[in-house]
Amino acid sequence: QVQLVESGGGVVQPGRSLRLSCAASGFAFSSYVMHWVRQAPGKGLEWVAVTSYDEANKYYADSVKGRFTISRDNSMNTLFLQMDSLRAEDTAMYYCAKPYNYGSYYFDSWGQGTLVTVSS
Amino acid sequence: DIQVTQSPSSLSASVGDRVTITCRASQGISNSLAWYQQKPGRAPKLLLYAASILETGVPPRFTGSESGTLYTLTISSLQPEDSATYYCQLYYILPLFGQGTKLEIK
Repeated sequence: QVQLVESGGGVVQPGRSLRLSCAASGFAFSSYVMHWVRQAPGKGLEWVAVTSYDEANKYYADSVKGRFTISRDNSMNTLFLQMDSLRAEDTAMYYCAKPYNYGSYYFDSWGQGTLVTVSS
Repeated sequence: DIQVTQSPSSLSASVGDRVTITCRASQGISNSLAWYQQKPGRAPKLLLYAASILETGVPPRFTGSESGTLYTLTISSLQPEDSATYYCQLYYILPLFGQGTKLEIK
């Protein structure tokens, strides 16, 4: 069965960096686009970023463009999110999400999330 | 940019009631809309996609429909386990979530 396990969250000061990981199993990870979605405490869902299967195409939400970088290692079935210049408003639970089929932009599997808190 | 307006933001209903939640897109999106259910402390769960196709394993009391740019999630006979927050998500271009509807069971 599909499993997505995020890690790397924690408490970080504003302006600092953090790198999230998502270990995937149970499906052909290297064939799928993959996404990051976040949810601030008590708030709604916000899509963050997507990468194509080969990293040739990457797209970002305006709120993180220029600060976050999505990447993947298909040999390790792992998705990453490098977060630089963090701000208080980046505080959220970060989920990696698998699309319903190879290139779709809606999600049938989610990880349990990893919590990022940006605070001095 | 496409915008989405989900309503209501919250509602309270009784077991057995029929409940509707709507999302209106600011332009045509060709049925590129999914619905999710999220319970506290849990990741979202896909309910429907392509506006009206039920995800495997989701009870048939959940249905989706479309009328122009207005998309509707209907729960035909509310059950206690349906207490959750519901989100629509457009995927016509990049993913865009609605604001969420918190559904409480009376």
